[in-house]
Amino acid sequence: GAVVSQHPSWVICKSGTSVKIECRSLDFQATTMFWYRQFPKQSLMLMATSNEGSKATYEQGVEKDKFLINHASLTLSTLTVTSAHPEDSSFYICSAREFGTNEKLFFGSGTQLSVL
Amino acid sequence: AQTVTQSQPEMSVQEAETVTLSCTYDTSESDYYLFWYKQPPSRQMILVIRQEAYKQQNATENRFSVNFQKAAKSFSLKISDSQLGDAAMYFCSVLQGGSEKLVFGKGTKLTVNP
Repeated sequence: GAVVSQHPSWVICKSGTSVKIECRSLDFQATTMFWYRQFPKQSLMLMATSNEGSKATYEQGVEKDKFLINHASLTLSTLTVTSAHPEDSSFYICSAREFGTNEKLFFGSGTQLSVL
Repeated sequence: AQTVTQSQPEMSVQEAETVTLSCTYDTSESDYYLFWYKQPPSRQMILVIRQEAYKQQNATENRFSVNFQKAAKSFSLKISDSQLGDAAMYFCSVLQGGSEKLVFGKGTKLTVNP
């Protein structure tokens, strides 16, 4: 089956620093990738939709200047949490949609971000 | 707007028994897809089963099957012969045809008792 690699799996950083999370589709092309945030014992909340070669579309309430998304190739999207603060601590998950399909979505293994 | 409701925050089942997880949804579209995802303690999201709304036949995947009632907008998941490895959070989700957004329910935590 298709594989989505997400890196790093966990990161601890100091408040005020920036953190970059990578999401790669390993064996398929993904024109669209999605970034979710999940708080403990809660569901996944869509943050933004990332399209290759164009600007990401952010969900209401998500600060685009705080969460920078770059989708520079058909296999890589990155999420950068800028000037991270403790309230940004969360589990971030990406998913990738296989090119040419609507319903084939594959998830990365997630990144636990802890901001001190 | 799409909404997904999972009315059971927690469920438990004895090993080898059968359990049904409930899900209702609301969508204005006629073309959509429904999914059940499993999230074990590792937090990796795993696709359990998928149903296309235009198909009347209920999807099955080994011990997992769904009861899809389109008119009632209901999409329950039945797990037969439950195994310890089935213990996880289960999320019901809907994807409208032509939309890019997968909307999740709040999840049901399934415990499997030995």
